[in-house]
Amino acid sequence: DVKVTQSSRYLVKRTGEKVFLECVQDMDHENMFWYRQDPGLGLRLIYFSYDVKMKEKGDIPEGYSVSREKKERFSLILESASTNQTSMYLCASSSITSGRSLFYNEQFFGPGTRLTVL
Amino acid sequence: QQQVKQSPQSLIVQKGGIPIINCAYENTAFDYFPWYQQFPGKGPALLIAIRPDVSEKKEGRFTISFNKSAKQFSLHIMDSQPGDSATYFCAASVTGSARQLTFGSGTQLTVLP
Repeated sequence: DVKVTQSSRYLVKRTGEKVFLECVQDMDHENMFWYRQDPGLGLRLIYFSYDVKMKEKGDIPEGYSVSREKKERFSLILESASTNQTSMYLCASSSITSGRSLFYNEQFFGPGTRLTVL
Repeated sequence: QQQVKQSPQSLIVQKGGIPIINCAYENTAFDYFPWYQQFPGKGPALLIAIRPDVSEKKEGRFTISFNKSAKQFSLHIMDSQPGDSATYFCAASVTGSARQLTFGSGTQLTVLP
């Protein structure tokens, strides 16, 4: 069974702290993604990675950075947490295919980390 | 910026009703339109998807209707059940795009018993 795990379900941090959110997938997927989920705003892409050590900015990268040193692991870093980064953070992974499959873009999500910044 | 607009934000129906969630897009290059379902405490999971060469796709009680000329697509849930209560996201993508999916804002569906 496919699995994406995130290091914490709930996290409480103080303003200005450096925060690490870890994501691991066991499906040997090439692509990994970090989203934040806020009511009424849906899923907004922060960063994604299509290969080890490769990263691309999504729609809302400001205040975040990422690291992908190994294929199975993708980390989201908040260099100096702020209260407006209080949110649900979702990690996802997907595989590149020949494009023949209808579901070739299927993303598999972890359960999320609810981060509160005080 | 690519956008997918989803409505309504929330929806309440009685058991057996047919909730309909609508999405509209602007980018005519989009060629893959999935719907994701998210239960409380879980991450979203793929529910059903369609490509623009067909106007309708059914899987069990879930149907996607697609109108290419209007650039709109919708999810219908037949004979809805309380277990269908969840948040639903539409999405769209362009084949070969590295970022893959652009999501709508989500619809929180409640099916009353």
